Amino acid sequence: KQEVTQIPAALSVPEGENLVLNCSFTDSAIYNLQWFRQDPGKGLTSLLLIQSSQREQTSGRLNASLDKSSGRSTLYIAASQPGDSATYLCAVSPAGGATNKLIFGTGTLLAVQP
Amino acid sequence: EAGVAQSPRYKIIEKRQSVAFWCNPISGHATLYWYQQILGQGPKLLIQFQNNGVVDDSQLPKDRFSAERLKGVDSTLKIQPAKLEDSAVYLCASSLWTGIYGYTFGSGTRLTVV
Repeated sequence: KQEVTQIPAALSVPEGENLVLNCSFTDSAIYNLQWFRQDPGKGLTSLLLIQSSQREQTSGRLNASLDKSSGRSTLYIAASQPGDSATYLCAVSPAGGATNKLIFGTGTLLAVQP
Repeated sequence: EAGVAQSPRYKIIEKRQSVAFWCNPISGHATLYWYQQILGQGPKLLIQFQNNGVVDDSQLPKDRFSAERLKGVDSTLKIQPAKLEDSAVYLCASSLWTGIYGYTFGSGTRLTVV
């Protein structure tokens, strides 16, 4: 059974710092991995999607890496801003089968202090 | 393009009452998902539709939850009767097809059962 773990559960950093969020998964048979952002009372916004054959994806100040064999992904946020404060969720899509369901971690609550 | 629309945004009901949530996916998206997110946890898939057929409902508590997607467009998720542990945010998402494409999530319906 696929399980997704995110460390740390919460993180507080001063504005301008670079930071790394960690995600690990127990089964390397995945289709893809996604990082989402969730603001309070809002739905999920997809930040980056990494296919199983890829090693990393970049979007602006965000860079996500994927090491499928070790079951790990990291989300790197450069020069953090108060507007980055949110919960960050990673999710994997298991390979095989007819579904494209996502299995989520419990998230990392990020607070960027001005 | 318009996003995934959900209603209502909030609902408070007493235990043993019934409730229904509505979702309108992005136009042309064949795949529709309902996720349940309990406070402090990551979202969990309840049911996945491909057009108007069910692909995966393995985690749907079928004794009290039901869902339909008539004509392969809008979807309704119903709970009858509700329990205290059903208090959660119910997220609807859609994707172009089951496969490599990313998801778009709605803002969710926050259900409180008292």
